[in-house]
Amino acid sequence: GAVVSQHPSRVICKSGTSVKIECRSLDFQATTMFWYRQFPKQSLMLMATSNEGSKATYEQGVEKDKFLINHASLTLSTLTVTSAHPEDSSFYICSASRGRAAGDTQYFGPGTRLTVL
Amino acid sequence: AQSVTQPDIHITVSEGASLELRCNYSYGATPYLFWYVQSPGQGLQLLLKYFSGDTLVQGIKGFEAEFKRSQSSFNLRKPSVHWSDAAEYFCAVGGNTDKLIFGTGTRLQVFP
Repeated sequence: GAVVSQHPSRVICKSGTSVKIECRSLDFQATTMFWYRQFPKQSLMLMATSNEGSKATYEQGVEKDKFLINHASLTLSTLTVTSAHPEDSSFYICSASRGRAAGDTQYFGPGTRLTVL
Repeated sequence: AQSVTQPDIHITVSEGASLELRCNYSYGATPYLFWYVQSPGQGLQLLLKYFSGDTLVQGIKGFEAEFKRSQSSFNLRKPSVHWSDAAEYFCAVGGNTDKLIFGTGTRLQVFP
């Protein structure tokens, strides 16, 4: 149990276009979903936390108008990278948690590789 | 503020040898501690976690980790490594919120 999927796994887009990434919890209800960004050979950096039915909470330095997050249901969260530029190229990973308590286990998706030309 | 340090960027071991991956954390209270493994093309998989109680935690795939408060450490161990254990390993710490702070990871290479 506790499987999280992401779609697409890879996406290549032109500079200036928008890209949507989906994160789904397949066999459980996710009260909270997290979006991370991972640079090559580096750690995961938390971008934002989204709770179902409410606005996402962004980490310091993350542009909320550029990275739009929607958590419309207990099984789906989306990240839209608006007006993408080459510096947005990265590996984006989502995770999902059943609850909102400290220490709740996060279950991770396989990630989405975004390349902006 | 919480932080996690994984001092070893890359470790190479022979198949069948024992393994220890180091993790040091900084947090003012008792933390929640996690070890995740990331294989190419796959998401991070939880190996084990420590919340409270017994400081020696058993996980999946034969891994264990020991919480040592005096050393602010949560090192991951396995007595006999298999070639399929080659992957990136991340230590993470959580505190009084649902957020996790990740270390920079340790890449494990296993030689036959």
